[in-house]
Amino acid sequence: DTAVSQTPKYLVTQMGNDKSIKCEQNLGHDTMYWYKQDSKKFLKIMFSYNNKELIINETVPNRFSPKSPDKAHLNLHINSLELGDSAVYFCASSQRREVETQYFGPGTRLLVL
Amino acid sequence: GDSVTQMEGPVTLSEEAFLTINCTYTATGYPSLFWYVQYPGEGLQLLLKATKADDKGSNKGFEATYRKETTSFHLEKGSVQVSDSAVYFCALSEGFGRGYQKVTFGTGTKLQVIP
Repeated sequence: DTAVSQTPKYLVTQMGNDKSIKCEQNLGHDTMYWYKQDSKKFLKIMFSYNNKELIINETVPNRFSPKSPDKAHLNLHINSLELGDSAVYFCASSQRREVETQYFGPGTRLLVL
Repeated sequence: GDSVTQMEGPVTLSEEAFLTINCTYTATGYPSLFWYVQYPGEGLQLLLKATKADDKGSNKGFEATYRKETTSFHLEKGSVQVSDSAVYFCALSEGFGRGYQKVTFGTGTKLQVIP
């Protein structure tokens, strides 16, 4: 069974479009994250939710809006996509008390044309 | 805020060579330190961790010792294999209030092992 899954795996879209990425974890964790990894492999946290409550909201354009319908799901919606949004987006999960042991999804490779 | 600095890559080694990837950190408190590994096309996986000074984390032949006096957590392996080719991330965890913590990653070091 896949522990942390993301869909889609690849996403190619035009500038200005709106797109969503979905994430689900079946580990029973109470905390989930979104990270952005750029072409140089630099990994930056974007958001974190604990039991559906937003606890980390880094300096991210408000075109990015996370939504957590329950603690097993954390989706990322992006409005008005820009070229600079092209990156790999990783979802991860952990227990709040074991934040260092994060389980990462396989990533969603977003390319904005 | 807290930060992590690791050596730039790529690092290219021959199989069975000794590996060191340097990592230093800046922190106001007493963070936990970790190494994550990212194999091609995959997400990150926790490789090893150390939660206090002088602790040594180890896994799959990799080791790193938490050195508070030099604020370092260098990753070492005595004999690398081609299958170790990946990107390695040094990271630390820091508290930010209300009992929450977050992980800050270094910029990653790509390791390429050639037969």
